[in-house]
Amino acid sequence: RKEVEQDPGPFNVPEGATVAFNCTYSNSASQSFFWYRQDCRKEPKLLMSVYSSGNEDGRFTAQLNRASQYISLLIRDSKLSDSATYLCVVNGGSSNTGKLIFGQGTTLQVKP
Amino acid sequence: GAVVSQHPSRVICKSGTSVKIECRSLDFQATTMFWYRQFPKQSLMLMATSNEGSKATYEQGVEKDKFLINHASLTLSTLTVTSAHPEDSSFYICSASWDSGDEKLFFGSGTQLSVL
Repeated sequence: RKEVEQDPGPFNVPEGATVAFNCTYSNSASQSFFWYRQDCRKEPKLLMSVYSSGNEDGRFTAQLNRASQYISLLIRDSKLSDSATYLCVVNGGSSNTGKLIFGQGTTLQVKP
Repeated sequence: GAVVSQHPSRVICKSGTSVKIECRSLDFQATTMFWYRQFPKQSLMLMATSNEGSKATYEQGVEKDKFLINHASLTLSTLTVTSAHPEDSSFYICSASWDSGDEKLFFGSGTQLSVL
């Protein structure tokens, strides 16, 4: 089983749609969770951290379910510029080492 | 935000040559730097973790004699792919962290290595 699993997609949605991505992780000791965005052949860029209470940043909402070891990302009112690969990222253990484990990524294509 | 500079952005080389990739933190001191490799349509795979002034810690399956990492200062880490072969062709990305307490990483722009 992969340490961080994501549906690779692609998710093809029209502009304005709401789309949700899910991610599961295997290490119950993980303490930090993130969503990164990666454009083709570019470096990943931090989209948002994910907190237990859930958090929102504009059109993006992230949620964490520790019991199910599940993370989600919701994008509302999709824009063409949201087309990218979204990486679910989990820290590798309980210590604050910065060692992050990346999921395969979910590809989003927003169509006009 | 913090900036990490990585170069070269693209390298094409012949099989058997060695390639050096540099990663610099431009406006902060990076206590730890990470090197990742990413094959097409796959996730970033951590290759090694380097701390300034000490030997790098390699992930399982990564040959330390093939992928030489040097972290001589708090702002510079280098990855040298020795005797490169076509199967080493990949996208290599470095990242750096500082003791911010929130584990955020700052990534370099990546190096696309193509070995002919």
